[in-house]
Amino acid sequence: GIQVEQSPPDLILQEGANSTLRCNFSDSVNNLQWFHQNPWGQLINLFYIPSGTKQNGRLSATTVATERYSLLYISSSQTTDSGVYFCAPPDTGRRALTFGSGTRLQVQP
Amino acid sequence: DTGVSQDPRHKITKRGQNVTFRCDPISEHNRLYWYRQTLGQGPEFLTYFQNEAQLEKSRLLSDRFSAERPKGSFSTLEIQRTEQGDSAMYLCASSEGRKPAFFGQGTRLTVV
Repeated sequence: GIQVEQSPPDLILQEGANSTLRCNFSDSVNNLQWFHQNPWGQLINLFYIPSGTKQNGRLSATTVATERYSLLYISSSQTTDSGVYFCAPPDTGRRALTFGSGTRLQVQP
Repeated sequence: DTGVSQDPRHKITKRGQNVTFRCDPISEHNRLYWYRQTLGQGPEFLTYFQNEAQLEKSRLLSDRFSAERPKGSFSTLEIQRTEQGDSAMYLCASSEGRKPAFFGQGTRLTVV
């Protein structure tokens, strides 16, 4: 199946800083989702982004499907951004999403 | 519609007991997925339904696990003869066709 690698595994930021999270995947994909898992375990949808760039407030995402990577940008980070960020493309030839190990973000005041 | 709903939110059970979890998807969603997540890891796929048909199962879904989706609406996941290794967060997601999947809040299982 598809392999998903996320970097960095851990990230500590001061409030107000910007960051870029990266997701590499081993096979071509026709869609990809980014999620934020809050401290209570809820997976919150951030982006559905098979290709191109999308923006939602302080967050934006870019997927370059031909080069098999996606980036999540967080600007002016806030303490409420803390949690784990996952990218999830579908598994090769299947419908279910495959998750990486995530990037654990801690934003300090 | 309030999103994907899972019940219970927490379950503590003794080793060897059977447990059943319920997932109510978003009403118009025909696809339903079960995942398992252990500490420090990303969610791992267990099984997938399209309407009432169970179309995909992971190797993780041992003989002690069974899932149903009668009438293509809610789904149940049952674990028989629970083991300590079954302790995890069990997540349900639903989607409409190939559109984005949305997750419930999960059921946290602790086997003691």
